[in-house]
Amino acid sequence: GAVVSQHPSRVICKSGTSVKIECRSLDFQATTMFWYRQFPKQSLMLMATSNEGSKATYEQGVEKDKFLINHASLTLSTLTVTSAHPEDSSFYICSASSGGAREQFFGPGTRLTVL
Amino acid sequence: AQSVTQPDIHITVSEGASLELRCNYSYGATPYLFWYVQSPGQGLQLLLKYFSGDTLVQGIKGFEAEFKRSQSSFNLRKPSVHWSDAAEYFCAINTGTASKLTFGTGTRLQVTL
Repeated sequence: GAVVSQHPSRVICKSGTSVKIECRSLDFQATTMFWYRQFPKQSLMLMATSNEGSKATYEQGVEKDKFLINHASLTLSTLTVTSAHPEDSSFYICSASSGGAREQFFGPGTRLTVL
Repeated sequence: AQSVTQPDIHITVSEGASLELRCNYSYGATPYLFWYVQSPGQGLQLLLKYFSGDTLVQGIKGFEAEFKRSQSSFNLRKPSVHWSDAAEYFCAINTGTASKLTFGTGTRLQVTL
């Protein structure tokens, strides 16, 4: 149980385009979803927290207009990187938790490369 | 603010040897504690967690961890390491704020044959 999927697993795009990454909880209702960014050989950096039906809460220094997060249902959250640039290239990981539980379940990650 | 320290950036052990990965936290009370493992290009998999009760917790893949309140530590151990254990290991805490996790910087484990 507690499986989280991400799609796509890899994406390559041109600079200036927008990219959408999906995060789905497959077998539970995710009241809260989290989006992380991970640079090579570094730890995870929390970008934002989203609760179903509410606006996401962004961490300090994360551009809200660049990283659009939507959590429209209890099983789906999306991260859209708008007008992507090479510096946005990174590994993006989502996680989900249910009903205020302390544990998060992580997706397999999405490797974004912006040319 | 809370923080998690993993003092060892990189550890190399021989297959079959024992392993201990260190984790210390800074927080005014006892947090919820987690160890995650990440293989290259993959997401994080939960190895074990401590919420309360017995301070020695057993996890998957033969891992265990011991919570020591006096040392603010939650060290991960395995008696005999397998080559497939080579990965990045993250310690994390949750202090009850919207389920947010605070991660350590990770320890990269290399296993030699």
